[in-house]
Amino acid sequence: GAGVSQSPSNKVTEKGKDVELRCDPISGHTALYWYRQSLGQGLEFLIYFQGNSAPDKSGLPSDRFSAERTGGSVSTLTIQRTQQEDSAVYLCASSREILGNEQFFGPGTRLTVL
Amino acid sequence: AQKVTQAQTEISVVEKEDVTLDCVYETRDTTYYLFWYKQPPSGELVFLIRRNSFDEQNEISGRYSWNFQKSTSSFNFTITASQVVDSAVYFCALSEANTGRRALTFGSGTRLQVQP
Repeated sequence: GAGVSQSPSNKVTEKGKDVELRCDPISGHTALYWYRQSLGQGLEFLIYFQGNSAPDKSGLPSDRFSAERTGGSVSTLTIQRTQQEDSAVYLCASSREILGNEQFFGPGTRLTVL
Repeated sequence: AQKVTQAQTEISVVEKEDVTLDCVYETRDTTYYLFWYKQPPSGELVFLIRRNSFDEQNEISGRYSWNFQKSTSSFNFTITASQVVDSAVYFCALSEANTGRRALTFGSGTRLQVQP
């Protein structure tokens, strides 16, 4: 079975542009998470989806960040009007929704905002 | 609020040495889960182990072992007879059962370099 996949693997954009990052979770995993990893902030939680429940958006750093998950599978993280401080590796993870279950991570998307 | 501290930023050892990576956590929840992940130079986070707060039994998997002690809020990771392939950044993480948040809170990571 395939693992978590993310696209693109690298994205370079200009400040002020919008970007979309995609995540395909492991088949059968109902929980999906977005994190970002940057030098100054380490690994930070962004947003979490579980089935049809309202997503936990408590980690989103600003209203420029949003995410959706269509059909309980693929998720897209959108960053509007990108800023240089948005440069980071954006990681997606999925898990079976059993309390405390391990999360499996994708390879990440490296975003560079010039 | 939950917190995970990995005080060791970087450790360098010579191959075949044993090395212990420290992890201290803070949580007010009575039910929680602890994890270790490995991030090799390729960048992808690899799951190593999960423990729940009710199971303090130590675990051994090959050259890896984990020591969970609730009394000191620690979940330390030991690699026996280290190898060059163990070189990576290792992250300890915590999730809580009763706060509603299933996401992981990570420590800042410990970079392990194993020299040949």
